[in-house]
Amino acid sequence: SQKIEQNSEALNIQEGKTATLTCNYTNYSPAYLQWYRQDPGRGPVFLLLIRENEKEKRKERLKVTFDTTLKQSLFHITASQPADSATYLCALDILNDYKLSFGAGTTVTVRA
Amino acid sequence: SAVISQKPSRDICQRGTSLTIQCQVDSQVTMMFWYRQQPGQSLTLIATANQGSEATYESGFVIDKFPISRPNLTFSTLTVSNMSPEDSSIYLCSVAGGGIGEQYFGPGTRLTVT
Repeated sequence: SQKIEQNSEALNIQEGKTATLTCNYTNYSPAYLQWYRQDPGRGPVFLLLIRENEKEKRKERLKVTFDTTLKQSLFHITASQPADSATYLCALDILNDYKLSFGAGTTVTVRA
Repeated sequence: SAVISQKPSRDICQRGTSLTIQCQVDSQVTMMFWYRQQPGQSLTLIATANQGSEATYESGFVIDKFPISRPNLTFSTLTVSNMSPEDSSIYLCSVAGGGIGEQYFGPGTRLTVT
C-alpha cells in the first residue's frame, strides 16, 4: 500500500532561518503532490501543488521541489517568521481521482 | 477558492448515540469529501460524496456507521452512528477546488464520545 512519510514530527528553528521539510512516498508515482498548512483547531489550508514534470514551484517565501526518481518532495520556508509556526502536511492523489492521502505532518515552531 | 462551514463546531456525545454533521459550501461543487483526524494524527479519507450518486467509502469505513447525504451541490451531511469513544475525532469536509487538484477544507467538527 502507499506509504507517505514526513521526516520528523517537529522542527524548531530560529526566526529568519530556512525550514526544510521532507515528504517521502513509496509504491506509486503520483501525477502531483500537494502541501497544506494546518493550524491548531482548524482545517488544512492548501499551499502549493507540484506536478511530476515540474522540478520546483515557488510561492512567496515557500519553495517546493519534487524528485520522482527519489520519490521525494522537499518543502522550504525561507526567512521564517513566528507566524509560520504550524503543522505542514504533504498529500498525494495516488490514483488521480482527487482522493488525497496525507502524511502525518511536521510541526514547525519558529522562535523569535 | 470555496468557503466551507460546518455545524456543529464541537460536541460531546454519549456512547450509543448518533451525531449528524453538516457541511455547507458557498458555491456549487461536484466533489465533496469527508475526512477523520484522530487525536495527534493526520487526516484519513472516509468517503467521497458526489451529488446524485451514492457515496463511495474507503477501506475500513462503512455506510451503516457513517451514512452520508448529498442532497444538492452545496450541502452534505455525515452521520456518525452508534458512537463509541474510538469515534472521538475531528471530522472535516472538503471540496475539490476545480482547478489544479487542490482541496478546500471546512473548520472541522470536534467530536468527543464519553
